[in-house]
Amino acid sequence: AQKVTQAQTEISVVEKEDVTLDCVYETRDTTYYLFWYKQPPSGELVFLIRRNSFDEQNEISGRYSWNFQKSTSSFNFTITASQVVDSAVYFCALSDQIYNQGGKLIFGQGTELSVKP
Amino acid sequence: DGGITQSPKYLFRKEGQNVTLSCEQNLNHDAMYWYRQDPGQGLRLIYYSQIVNDFQKGDIAEGYSVSREKKESFPLTVTSAQKNPTAFYLCASSFDGTRATYEQYFGPGTRLTVT
Repeated sequence: AQKVTQAQTEISVVEKEDVTLDCVYETRDTTYYLFWYKQPPSGELVFLIRRNSFDEQNEISGRYSWNFQKSTSSFNFTITASQVVDSAVYFCALSDQIYNQGGKLIFGQGTELSVKP
Repeated sequence: DGGITQSPKYLFRKEGQNVTLSCEQNLNHDAMYWYRQDPGQGLRLIYYSQIVNDFQKGDIAEGYSVSREKKESFPLTVTSAQKNPTAFYLCASSFDGTRATYEQYFGPGTRLTVT
């Protein structure tokens, strides 16, 4: 069965620290997609990144970077030089072709990141 | 601006009443989704629709109903049969619900409180 695990429930850092949010997934499909979303206090989920299972290149976007490793079924998210505005709940999600017809996403439980000034 | 609108942002109802949550999108997306989020929890799928006039149950459909008469609209009714309706409800859409490729875009959510 498909599953996404975000073992870190809450993380607290001081501004300018680097922080890594872990995501481990399970799927039997060979074609799948992984996503990260940010949920600020306002509640709306904001899409951050999509990665397909055939592309293991790491990605960097400004202070954000993502490390995808199929060997460990992980898709970790790092924020460099964190800022107070990064405070939010971050969700990792999985979608695959065979078991999730309809483009459904399976979400992890989320990691609440608190960045203190 | 393209996006997803959910109204109202806060909704209060008495126990035993049905209530309908609105979701409208102008992104021209085929697929739409309803999720429920409880405090400290992830998102759980209630219903989804890949195309107009068609929808399927998600993981927690009991006590909920939906309709998809127009491409841009996917209202959710929380019925009196739903045992614990108080939650945060999020609507989402994606370009093509038949493939796993596409990301979902979310509305601002409706916080429903039933007393």
